[in-house]
Amino acid sequence: QTVVTQEPSFSVSPGGTVTLTCGLSSASVSTNYYPSWYQQTPGQPPRTLIYSTNIRSSGVPDRFSGSILGNKAALTITGAQADDESDYYCVLYMGSGISVFGGGTKLNVL
Amino acid sequence: EVQLAESGGGLAQPGGSLRLSCAASGFTFGTYAMGWVRQPAGKGLEWVSSIGSSGNTHFANSVKGRFAISRDNAKNTLSLQMNSLRAEDTAVYYCAKRGYCTGRTCYYHFDYWGQGAQVTVSS
Repeated sequence: QTVVTQEPSFSVSPGGTVTLTCGLSSASVSTNYYPSWYQQTPGQPPRTLIYSTNIRSSGVPDRFSGSILGNKAALTITGAQADDESDYYCVLYMGSGISVFGGGTKLNVL
Repeated sequence: EVQLAESGGGLAQPGGSLRLSCAASGFTFGTYAMGWVRQPAGKGLEWVSSIGSSGNTHFANSVKGRFAISRDNAKNTLSLQMNSLRAEDTAVYYCAKRGYCTGRTCYYHFDYWGQGAQVTVSS
């Protein structure tokens, strides 16, 4: 069974930079998995931030960026703001129509 | 403007059935893959099922053999038939549109989401 791993929680100071990661239990994450990132606040549907590793969705500020760091996908938030406090999910596309979500990272801005 | 609106959620008994629908507008529905993603209260998101533009279907192991996904391109509607429901199927179910293809490049993310429909399985 494919397991996508994310840090359960992370803290960043306002104005600071934070990098969240997305790994695979049994392999290295590459661009071939088309990693995507989503932001979700309580009671709301997810908001798409990044797709295909590093493409920002329409309207997403450029302080959100995606990359591959080592053997993981990464989401970097530069100049964190209070309203960035959310849950962040990565998704890896496994092919044949199958997507796998990570467990999510709760980001605290404090 | 792309809009996705789920309906059909509610309460079902264990072993029972429910059918979710998703009304789509603002894009050429028949040319995009679509999917369902669910989220139990206080927990993370889980991909449930996808259907391609040609009708090919895919399911998470947790629902395989119990759930069916279908689409009606004439009515711009996506459906999820949920049978043999279990307590662990209780969740908010989101309808989501898959990304796009341009030239020979396709993007497999979910780019638009509905507001979600609550499904509760309880006796």
